[in-house]
Amino acid sequence: GAVVSQHPSRVICKSGTSVKIECRSLDFQATTMFWYRQFPKQSLMLMATSNEGSKATYEQGVEKDKFLINHASLTLSTLTVTSAHPEDSSFYICSARPGQGGTGELFFGEGSRLTVL
Amino acid sequence: SQKIEQNSEALNIQEGKTATLTCNYTNYSPAYLQWYRQDPGRGPVFLLLIRENEKEKRKERLKVTFDTTLKQSLFHITASQPADSATYLCALEGDMRFGAGTRLTVKP
Repeated sequence: GAVVSQHPSRVICKSGTSVKIECRSLDFQATTMFWYRQFPKQSLMLMATSNEGSKATYEQGVEKDKFLINHASLTLSTLTVTSAHPEDSSFYICSARPGQGGTGELFFGEGSRLTVL
Repeated sequence: SQKIEQNSEALNIQEGKTATLTCNYTNYSPAYLQWYRQDPGRGPVFLLLIRENEKEKRKERLKVTFDTTLKQSLFHITASQPADSATYLCALEGDMRFGAGTRLTVKP
């Protein structure tokens, strides 16, 4: 099946710094990618929809200036957590769907665990 | 707005038994529904998709049913094994929003 790669898998940073997480579709093009956050023992929470060549669409309650999303190509989306604080510590996961349609299975990255000290 | 409910946060069963997980939804009539498996610290993995005109779908030991009248999907794992222990998530159509998930533990 299709492969989505996330990097880094783990990152530890100091409070106040910014962290960038990459999400790549390795064997397909994705005009749309999705970013989720997951706290321990909780479900995936959709943060935003990343659109290639245009602005991301953020879910209600997600600060767009805090979580910067860039989808510069059909195979790469990045999430930058700006001025990270300990409460931003979480498991961040991206997903993508081959093609331009809005149907079918999602392929997920392996996730990136962010720890802010 | 549409809402998905997986009404069992956790389910513990004995190895060899059939696990049945439930996904209910409201305020929507999806053309299809999907089930995913998530292991701790990993991204979800797609398992099955069932369309509204399909009453039942099977894949090896997995079976999914879709009752559009009850607005419910049931996910069955027959002859369960400890390796089936994971969190199972359902999602409506191509929506990127998931239910809360059911954490299944299969005990030897």
